Parts: sequence; C-alpha cells; structure tokens
Amino acid sequence: DGGITQSPKYLFRKEGQNVTLSCEQNLNHDAMYWYRQDPGQGLRLIYYSQIVNDFQKGDIAEGYSVSREKKESFPLTVTSAQKNPTAFYLCASSIGQGLSTGELFFGEGSRLTVL
Amino acid sequence: DQQVKQNSPSLSVQEGRISILNCDYTNSMFDYFLWYKKYPAEGPTFLISISSIKDKNEDGRFTVFLNKSAKHLSLHIVPSQPGDSAVYFCAVLNYGGSQGNLIFGKGTKLSVKP
Repeated sequence: DGGITQSPKYLFRKEGQNVTLSCEQNLNHDAMYWYRQDPGQGLRLIYYSQIVNDFQKGDIAEGYSVSREKKESFPLTVTSAQKNPTAFYLCASSIGQGLSTGELFFGEGSRLTVL
Repeated sequence: DQQVKQNSPSLSVQEGRISILNCDYTNSMFDYFLWYKKYPAEGPTFLISISSIKDKNEDGRFTVFLNKSAKHLSLHIVPSQPGDSAVYFCAVLNYGGSQGNLIFGKGTKLSVKP
C-alpha cells in the first residue's frame, strides 16, 4: 500500500543530543514537508522540499535541519540548538512541486520527548 | 497574530444531530480552504476543501460553507456519528504566499456521544 512511513513512533532524548526522525514515502510525490504540533496548537511548518536536493525553511526552522537526497526520503534532525524539542512531529507529502489544492498526505507522526 | 482562528477548542454533539465547526480567517486573498481530521496519535487526513470562487462544497455527510465577506468558513457534519469524534483543523492556502505553507488553525475537538 502506498503511504508515508515515519519512524520511530516514540523517541526519548537527553538534553544536548541530536536526534533524527525518518520519513519515507512511496507515493511518488515530489514535495515533502515537516510539521510540528504542540498541545492545543495548530500545525506549524518546519521545513519543506519541492524537489530532490532542494529544501526551504518554514516558519520555525531554527534548531532543525533536513536533507533530501532521494525523492522518497526526507529525514529531519532535531539538534541540540532547538530549545523546546518535545513535540509531535508530522511528515507529509503532496503531489507535484507546489500545493495546488492544499491536500497533504500525512504520516502517523513521531512523538519526541526530551528528558 | 493568528491568521486562521478556530475559537471553539471543543464541541460536544449527540449522535444523529448536526455538528457545526467554525473557522475565521484574516486575509481576503486566501485561495483555498480545507478541513483536516485528526485522531489521537495519528497524522491528519484530508476531509474536504473549497475554492475561494465557491461558497459551498458537499461530500456525503460533510458540507463546507465559505462566507467571503465575513471571512468565515464552516464545516457541517450531518448526521454526526461517534466515529466522527476527532480534532478538526481548518487550513488555508494562499497561492501568492510561500509554496510550502498551508496555514492551520489550532483545531476543534469534536465529541459525538451515542
């Protein structure tokens, strides 16, 4: 079945450590996105990539990094510079290189907790 | 400053009745309006959308209404079912803005009681 796979589903990290969240899609979508959700908040865009080897900062990119070496993969690294990393992270993709209709396909999310 | 506001954090409705979820936005230049549904510990799923050139779109039990003069969007679910219990996010898309940015509201948690 086609879809977006995020791993791990749950992750615990000590302060000062970097951690990488995986996102893989087999939908053949060009664009991929990372969002963050905090309790009682909407989704906020961290980074997005419209094509391989290119990505753009979203609204809250500070303390995060990404890469897009393959069309199927868009990993997110939460660095030690991110001051409040505990959150629910969502990866998404869309058909084409832009959001023509706004329809995103989301993974099931990764919950990161910093101890 | 929030560009998309869902002023009701929660809504409780009896099974079989109508659920009405509301969303207000600030920018009259937004082009596309969407509703996403999210269950706990899962990613959101697209539910229904409407272009700014329309004022109503219907898909089964779900209807979205757009009032451009009031900058107001609403989602009607009728009849409501217990499986509709979830958080509903309103989202807007601006073609003139960032290619990557769909702006989300904070969500409304709908509980449909049997």
